[in-house]
Amino acid sequence: DTAVSQTPKYLVTQMGNDKSIKCEQNLGHDTMYWYKQDSKKFLKIMFSYNNKELIINETVPNRFSPKSPDKAHLNLHINSLELGDSAVYFCASSQTGVAFFGQGTRLTVV
Amino acid sequence: DQQVKQNSPSLSVQEGRISILNCDYTNSMFDYFLWYKKYPAEGPTFLISISSIKDKNEDGRFTVFLNKSAKHLSLHIVPSQPGDSAVYFCAASSYTGTASKLTFGTGTRLQVTL
Repeated sequence: DTAVSQTPKYLVTQMGNDKSIKCEQNLGHDTMYWYKQDSKKFLKIMFSYNNKELIINETVPNRFSPKSPDKAHLNLHINSLELGDSAVYFCASSQTGVAFFGQGTRLTVV
Repeated sequence: DQQVKQNSPSLSVQEGRISILNCDYTNSMFDYFLWYKKYPAEGPTFLISISSIKDKNEDGRFTVFLNKSAKHLSLHIVPSQPGDSAVYFCAASSYTGTASKLTFGTGTRLQVTL
């Protein structure tokens, strides 16, 4: 029974397209995150939501828009995809400071 | 500006010996430190953590040491096993008021050889 699940696992798309990545957690946590791991393997926070409210937005381009319909879900929508958006995107949730991660979505923009 | 650094990109250790992974940080506001283990094509998995008020935390084969004055922490794995082969990320937590935020190092790839 997966605690943090995200779909799809792989996503290949053309430049200029719009795509979404979905995330769900069944841990009952109030806080959810999106992290990005770039080609240099740097894992950096993008957004944090607490109980559906945006808490952290780390200077991410406006083309990235997170949406939290309820505290168990945090989706990431990306408009006008660029080559530089190619990365692995991880969703995570936490309650007490320890973050639990999903399996990641490898996004490739061609 | 990299606030959490893991200066060794890789480490190779024989099975049964001790693995020591190191991590340095610059931000004195970090109050909680974590180690994550990551296998290929999977998300990071929480391993062990330590609060800034402690200097050691142990969980089975894994021990984390924190030296606040040196802004340095290390993860010891004893004895090392082949299944420990993975990338290990050090992370430091800072609290924004409503949520904590993890800042990660770039990882150390540990290979445990037979």
